[in-house]
Amino acid sequence: SQQGEEDPQALSIQEGENATMNCSYKTSINNLQWYRQNSGRGLVHLILIRSNEREKHSGRLRVTLDTSKKSSSLLITASRAADTASYFCASEANDYKLSFGAGTTVTVRA
Amino acid sequence: GEEVAQTPKHLVRGEGQKAKLYCAPIKGHSYVFWYQQVLKNEFKFLISFQNENVFDETGMPKERFSAKCLPNSPCSLEIQATKLEDSAVYFCASSLRSSGANVLTFGAGSRLTVL
Repeated sequence: SQQGEEDPQALSIQEGENATMNCSYKTSINNLQWYRQNSGRGLVHLILIRSNEREKHSGRLRVTLDTSKKSSSLLITASRAADTASYFCASEANDYKLSFGAGTTVTVRA
Repeated sequence: GEEVAQTPKHLVRGEGQKAKLYCAPIKGHSYVFWYQQVLKNEFKFLISFQNENVFDETGMPKERFSAKCLPNSPCSLEIQATKLEDSAVYFCASSLRSSGANVLTFGAGSRLTVL
């Protein structure tokens, strides 16, 4: 079974606003990753945060990791129409297998 | 190449027929993964390979699903006697698994429709 759970399931925001989504996982991890899926396409890797890191930035993306709560959040700042997609977290355990959450569908309205 | 190539993009099969999907990983990536996505929901892990060896097959429904990664050939995922519930998009991904992190590069997926 998949390990991660994501919240919310869907999010609709105005262009320029920030989007925040959360992810929880169940077991110890090496790292946690976030991927984006545009409609009809495969997943694209966005950012990775290791288990000994608490926060990471990449462009307009900010990821946090709280290993005591087994949770992570992804913040997209100043959203654009092109950010419309589904976002998935994936936890990598010691067996190197990635377990994906159910995803958050983000719609950015112009 | 620099992308994971999956074929066919769409496959339609009648219930009970065989379905075979192919995946060419990125050159130099020694790990290949297959995932199943039903109704745009979560990705279910099926199987992974390290080169031509099965690395982890804990997600494979053993009775009807099989997979191979042979040298100098695309990897394949085969479903014997397909069922309606096999309708899904099957994604292949490959990785280098370097620096203790397993970052996957995904193909565009193969959509299997079982009628």
